Parts: sequence; structure tokens; C-alpha cells
Amino acid sequence: RKEVEQDPGPFNVPEGATVAFNCTYSNSASQSFFWYRQDCRKEPKLLMSVYSSGNEDGRFTAQLNRASQYISLLIRDSKLSDSATYLCVVNMGNDMRFGAGTRLTVKP
Amino acid sequence: EAGVVQSPRYKIIEKKQPVAFWCNPISGHNTLYWYRQNLGQGPELLIRYENEEAVDDSQLPKDRFSAERLKGVDSTLKIQPAELGDSAVYLCASSLAGTSYNEQFFGPGTRLTVL
Repeated sequence: RKEVEQDPGPFNVPEGATVAFNCTYSNSASQSFFWYRQDCRKEPKLLMSVYSSGNEDGRFTAQLNRASQYISLLIRDSKLSDSATYLCVVNMGNDMRFGAGTRLTVKP
Repeated sequence: EAGVVQSPRYKIIEKKQPVAFWCNPISGHNTLYWYRQNLGQGPELLIRYENEEAVDDSQLPKDRFSAERLKGVDSTLKIQPAELGDSAVYLCASSLAGTSYNEQFFGPGTRLTVL
């Protein structure tokens, strides 16, 4: 089993749609969780951290379920500019483990 | 403020040749990471430095890969000799030391093609 697994996608959605990504992790001792965004041929950039209580940043909502060992990312009112690959990241000790990413394409 | 700097941005070499990548982290960031990212995959950690000390190199293929961060600032990753399977993007990242909650900032990467 991979340490971090994501829906591979691709997700193709129209503008304005709501889309959700899930990610599961294998190490129950994982300490911190993140979603990174990576545009084509660019480096990953932090989108948001994921807190135990869940957190929201504008149109983006992240949730953590420690009991089931998964995190999720919800994007509301999708914009064309949201098209990218979303990487789930789990910190195991001081080492980040990245999922393979979920590709999202938002279409007009 | 300058971000993480990497060079070269692109490198094409023939198999069995050596190659080196350079990274200068964000000023003040004590932790430096080297990752390899294959097409369609997430970044895979190769080595992590805390200052000049390599604290995790368990994923570094030591038969052909080496890295150094002599003064605890910039770092070099070397492959000798390169193989076809080494073609990938090599990403350098840095973060503030101390906790596992610190954001990692990535450089633009070096895209390596081995022919």
C-alpha cells in the first residue's frame, strides 16, 4: 500500500461546479497534512494546511479524519484558474510524503 | 525576497555521463530538501538536510547519487553515472527548521533528460 494515495482523476468540471478530492494515508502517526497545488511544468506551492478541526479559505475547504486516515479538499464555485494538479501531502516525522496528485480541469 | 534558486533549469546528457544540480534556499531556512519528480507522480524525497547535516538520506540511491551542503546554505546534488531512468525533474525545497508544520518552498526544478 502506498503511503499516500489520491484519486488520480482527471476531474473535468464546468465553471461554477463544486468538486471534492480525497486522499488516504497509511501511517497513523502522521502529524501534519497539507494540500499543495502544482501547475503544469511548475513547482508545487502550498494551497492550505489541514487542521484537525477542518479549515476553510475562501472557496477551499479542507477536512481531516484521523480515525479513517483520510483528508479531503473541497473547491466550491470552480474557476478556470483552479485548473491544476492538487497534491496531498502528509508529514511523517519531518519528512513529507506526497501523493501522486489529482488533476483538475475546469472548463468554460 | 528571493525564492529558492536552482540551476540549471534544463539539462540534457547522454547516459553514463555525470551531472550536477545546484540549489540556493531561501535565506534563513535551515532545512533543505532534494526531491525527484517523475511524470505523473508526486515529488519523492531523496535527501533532507538540517543545516549541513544530512538527517535523512534513506531514499538516496547511494551507488550513483551524492549530495552535499558544506556550509549549511547552498547544496549540490550529483549523479554519476547517469542512467536513462534518472530522467525526471529534480526539485529543491527549503523550510524553517524546528517543526513538521512548516511550509516547504520549492524551487523551479531542474528538468533532466538522459539520452
